[in-house]
Amino acid sequence: DTEVTQTPKHLVMGMTNKKSLKCEQHMGHRAMYWYKQKAKKPPELMFVYSYEKLSINESVPSRFSPECPNSSLLNLHLHALQPEDSALYLCASSPQIMNTEAFFGQGTRLTVV
Amino acid sequence: GESVGLHLPTLSVQEGDNSIINCAYSNSASDYFIWYKQESGKGPQFIIDIRSNMDKRQGQRVTVLLNKTVKHLSLQIAATQPGDSAVYFCAETNNAGNMLTFGGGTRLMVKP
Repeated sequence: DTEVTQTPKHLVMGMTNKKSLKCEQHMGHRAMYWYKQKAKKPPELMFVYSYEKLSINESVPSRFSPECPNSSLLNLHLHALQPEDSALYLCASSPQIMNTEAFFGQGTRLTVV
Repeated sequence: GESVGLHLPTLSVQEGDNSIINCAYSNSASDYFIWYKQESGKGPQFIIDIRSNMDKRQGQRVTVLLNKTVKHLSLQIAATQPGDSAVYFCAETNNAGNMLTFGGGTRLMVKP
């Protein structure tokens, strides 16, 4: 199994809603990542987890809250988002934090209304 | 917000021709440079990487060239196929080697 699975594929939420994005991998990878990608732009790193511990937070606003319940799962909790947060949210994993080859999920297309 | 009319640089090639996609990078201290491919509706997919102490690396139908003098990276695709149509991103590792920074993408369109 070489897949990173993200759910849901699409999400529409209001600015007062609370929602969560989920990511799962069963490759035994110990590094997991959240990226944000706006249309026609490159992915931008948000968070890095290594061995279930938060390793890097790229100055992401607190309305985005990551969680790594175990080595296979990564969540991104969303609260009080703004319309400009609408984007494709990509999860990725790699064997270790230093690997150049990351495996990406197909993303969650988020629209904030 | 996004700029109205913003578009990706596009390279259009005939099927069977060779493609060359270019990237300028900024961090001279990066240890690795990488190419990723992103097809429509999918996440990025690793293609090939090159360590900073090398100037050329070959894979299956792809070659990456690194010119550190002018901070230039290129991806050559031999005998381009319709399945190669995608957006291609270059990326580099940071000084600590614990994260990737993606550069701007190039859209490759392959004409049958």
